[in-house]
Amino acid sequence: VQLVESGGGVVQPGRSLRLSCAASTFTFGRYPMHWVRQAPGKGLEWVANINQGGTETYYVDSMKGRFTISRDNSKNTLYLQMNSLRAEDTAVYYCARELSLLPAGSLDVWGQGTTVTVSS
Amino acid sequence: QSALTQPASVSGSPGQSITISCTGTSSDVGSYNLVSWYQQHPGKAPKLMIYEGTKRPSGVSNRFSGSKSGNTASLTISGLQAEDEADYYCCSYAGSGTYVFGTGTKVTVL
Repeated sequence: VQLVESGGGVVQPGRSLRLSCAASTFTFGRYPMHWVRQAPGKGLEWVANINQGGTETYYVDSMKGRFTISRDNSKNTLYLQMNSLRAEDTAVYYCARELSLLPAGSLDVWGQGTTVTVSS
Repeated sequence: QSALTQPASVSGSPGQSITISCTGTSSDVGSYNLVSWYQQHPGKAPKLMIYEGTKRPSGVSNRFSGSKSGNTASLTISGLQAEDEADYYCCSYAGSGTYVFGTGTKVTVL
C-alpha cells in the first residue's frame, strides 16, 4: 500500500500549482482521501478531504475558495489544485488515506510528502 | 477551526508512563468519538497510533492507549521506550466534514 505525492516546487506568490498523489496496491476508489500540510518547523494542519466518488469535498476555512481537491479513480490519483498561493502556504503537503470506508479522520496510509515553497 | 490544545512537551524515563492531553471544545472533541493520534519522527510522515478515540491499528503496540473525558482526549504511553521519542498530534472531527489537528507534543525519553 503506497501513496506518492508529486508536483511540489518553488512558485511565486499569486501563482498556481497542482499536486498529485498516486496510489498503488489498494483499491483507491473505495477510500475517502485527505490532504494535510505541515509548515516548516510547525504542526500538522488538515487541508481538505474528498469522498470515494469525488462528489463531496470539504476544506479548512482558510483555504476554501483557493484550493480544490479532486480525484480520478480511473488513474488512482488524488489532486490538490492550489491557486493564489501565499507565502504562508509554504509547507510539506501530504496525502493520506482513511483507514475505513467512512470518513473519520483515521489516516492510516500517508505519502512521503511534497514540498511547496511560495517565494518571489 | 482553532487547533486543539496540547502540551508543548512531555518527558519521562524509560519504563514510565506518560499521558498527553488534547483539549478541544464541545464542537469537536466533546461531540464526537472521532479522535485520532499520530506519531511523527523527524523528517518522516505521521503514523496512525490510535483512531476513533480508543482503537489501535494493527501493528501498533498495546503500550499506546487512548481515552476521552468531556472536551479532552488523552494518549497514554506505558512502558516508555527510547523509540517513542517523537512528536505526537491529536486530530478530531470538527463537524461539517472538517477536521482539526492539535498543536503537537514533543515527547522526550530521559
